[in-house]
Amino acid sequence: EIVLTQSPGTLSLSPGERATLSCRASQGVSGDYLAWYQQKPGQTPRLLIYGASSRAPGIPDRFSGSGSGTDFTLTISRLEPEDFSVYYCQQYGSSPLTFGGGTKVEIK
Amino acid sequence: QVQLLESGPGLVKPSQTLSLTCTVSGDSITSGSYFWSWIRQHPGKGLEWIGYNNGRTHYNPSLKSRVSILVDTTKNQFSLNLKSVSAADTAIYFCARGSDSWSGFGGVPFDLWGQGTLVTVSS
Repeated sequence: EIVLTQSPGTLSLSPGERATLSCRASQGVSGDYLAWYQQKPGQTPRLLIYGASSRAPGIPDRFSGSGSGTDFTLTISRLEPEDFSVYYCQQYGSSPLTFGGGTKVEIK
Repeated sequence: QVQLLESGPGLVKPSQTLSLTCTVSGDSITSGSYFWSWIRQHPGKGLEWIGYNNGRTHYNPSLKSRVSILVDTTKNQFSLNLKSVSAADTAIYFCARGSDSWSGFGGVPFDLWGQGTLVTVSS
């Protein structure tokens, strides 16, 4: 089973700043099949990125994904007020599908 | 607009079977190639994939001996059954859909989610 470790646990930033979130896999993610989700309190996760770098339909271009192998990054170029949330990565390159523990992006 | 809605008991006794249903509205469950999935989230914690049914079933090995996911095309629903539950199975249960168009070697990302339903295991 691939363990995904997200860092930092909490990121304190101001609106307009750039956010960089990390997801590190315990072994290489086959095909770089990695996704990112946003989850707000009491809401369902929202798919942002799939295939490490492809934006899901309707996702603003301030969200971008990069990386390969064991190291992946979600970047939010300029934080909007609605972006303060928890973010999860998920790998689907091998079974079982696994999720990271999450990074909370909070207002500084 | 396709929507997913979970339903089922919010309270299950230990050792019993947890049964949930996900109703698909806005489209036929048989249109397209999808992975109909269940995912859970323990209170205040991260996400755990339970399994999916895309014509074939595939389960998380940690739950495989207790879980089954069935698709009922006549009702446009899919279901989750989890046997012999304990307090450790208390969680929010989400049904979700992933598209075969984006599939990887192990499964899919999930582009559509139900609202989630809290299931508490307690006597």
